[in-house]
Amino acid sequence: GESVGLHLPTLSVQEGDNSIINCAYSNSASDYFIWYKQESGKGPQFIIDIRSNMDKRQGQRVTVLLNKTVKHLSLQIAATQPGDSAVYFCAENDEGSSNTGKLIFGQGTTLQVKP
Amino acid sequence: NAGVTQTPKFQVLKTGQSMTLQCAQDMNHNSMYWYRQDPGMGLRLIYYSASEGTTDKGEVPNGYNVSRLNKREFSLRLESAAPSQTSVYFCASRKTGTDTQYFGPGTRLTVL
Repeated sequence: GESVGLHLPTLSVQEGDNSIINCAYSNSASDYFIWYKQESGKGPQFIIDIRSNMDKRQGQRVTVLLNKTVKHLSLQIAATQPGDSAVYFCAENDEGSSNTGKLIFGQGTTLQVKP
Repeated sequence: NAGVTQTPKFQVLKTGQSMTLQCAQDMNHNSMYWYRQDPGMGLRLIYYSASEGTTDKGEVPNGYNVSRLNKREFSLRLESAAPSQTSVYFCASRKTGTDTQYFGPGTRLTVL
């Protein structure tokens, strides 16, 4: 079956360091991947996405890398700040979504930034 | 734009009571979704509406019903609440032709 999983439930980094959050997916047919940030008590917030025809995409302080060979997705956050503390979810589009837009979510990684 | 709004923010119910969670979006999106989020878990799809006038079951639809009232509004109803439905509920919307879903702030529901 399909599954999206994050490698570590909690990641603790020092302020100013770079953070790398990993995600494994099992559906080779997925062609869209997305990262969300969820702060305590709030809804998931879009960070960055990538299509399967790309290996890398950069945003402001964030980079997403996609390795289709090993079905691995990562989110890199440069110069991590206290405001980056949150739970990060990866998601992929559901096989056979037929334009329904259904996403399958991983369980989330909690990023803790130490001052 | 307010984006996706949800009411209420918090709700406590007794087992067997019914209630409706409201969701509205002002982005003119065609598709809308209802998820539940349980502690330490990702989001699981309850129901979705790919377009106005259509609704379909997601991964965990049992115990819920939905209504796509119009293009803006998509409600989730619990007819007879159970403690297993204690969760945080999120509504999301998506523009046709894109894949990104945008989420509301959530409703935290406790069933005693």
